[in-house]
Amino acid sequence: DQQVKQNSPSLSVQEGRISILNCDYTNSMFDYFLWYKKYPAEGPTFLISISSIKDKNEDGRFTVFLNKSAKHLSLHIVPSQPGDSAVYFCAASPSNFGNEKLTFGTGTRLTIIP
Amino acid sequence: NAGVTQTPKFRILKIGQSMTLQCAQDMNHNYMYWYRQDPGMGLKLIYYSVGAGITDKGEVPNGYNVSRSTTEDFPLRLELAAPSQTSVYFCASSDSRLVDYEQYFGPGTRLTVT
Repeated sequence: DQQVKQNSPSLSVQEGRISILNCDYTNSMFDYFLWYKKYPAEGPTFLISISSIKDKNEDGRFTVFLNKSAKHLSLHIVPSQPGDSAVYFCAASPSNFGNEKLTFGTGTRLTIIP
Repeated sequence: NAGVTQTPKFRILKIGQSMTLQCAQDMNHNYMYWYRQDPGMGLKLIYYSVGAGITDKGEVPNGYNVSRSTTEDFPLRLELAAPSQTSVYFCASSDSRLVDYEQYFGPGTRLTVT
């Protein structure tokens, strides 16, 4: 049972345009969400997070939106740059457990076309 | 800071052999984790530790063992390697005193069992 779903295995976006990566979850106990970025032959690195008390969190070119009623979150990258080409993982946790209960999605491979 | 380090980077094992994947962190994090990532899949939690001397099973613990004798080290042991254990293994750590849930990952160990 995949509790965190990233239904688009891949996405290609022109440089300078907006990249939108989507993530859906089924467990209503999840209330903290993170995005990780992964380059080939490296470990994932933390990008941005959001807790359920917010519906938006912004960090530079990266914005995460959370729609709790739809159990959906999205990551927006504006403007997209070639260095953004990577695999992006969505992860979720119930806050009463914390760090040790992150559940990851299957990832979306983002390719930025120069 | 070196962050989270893992050795070896690559390993090929024969069925039935055993090996230990090493993981160390120098950030004084109390939580440490082992994940595996199969092709096209997300990260699955194998084992985690909330402090020296304390370990617990994750989602996919069968075929693995761990120990945590120090804050810095968290080795993962495969006793009887099977082809199903062919995967990329990531070690991670985090500080539970922070509320950001961020986990810091090592570069991974690519293991092939034939």
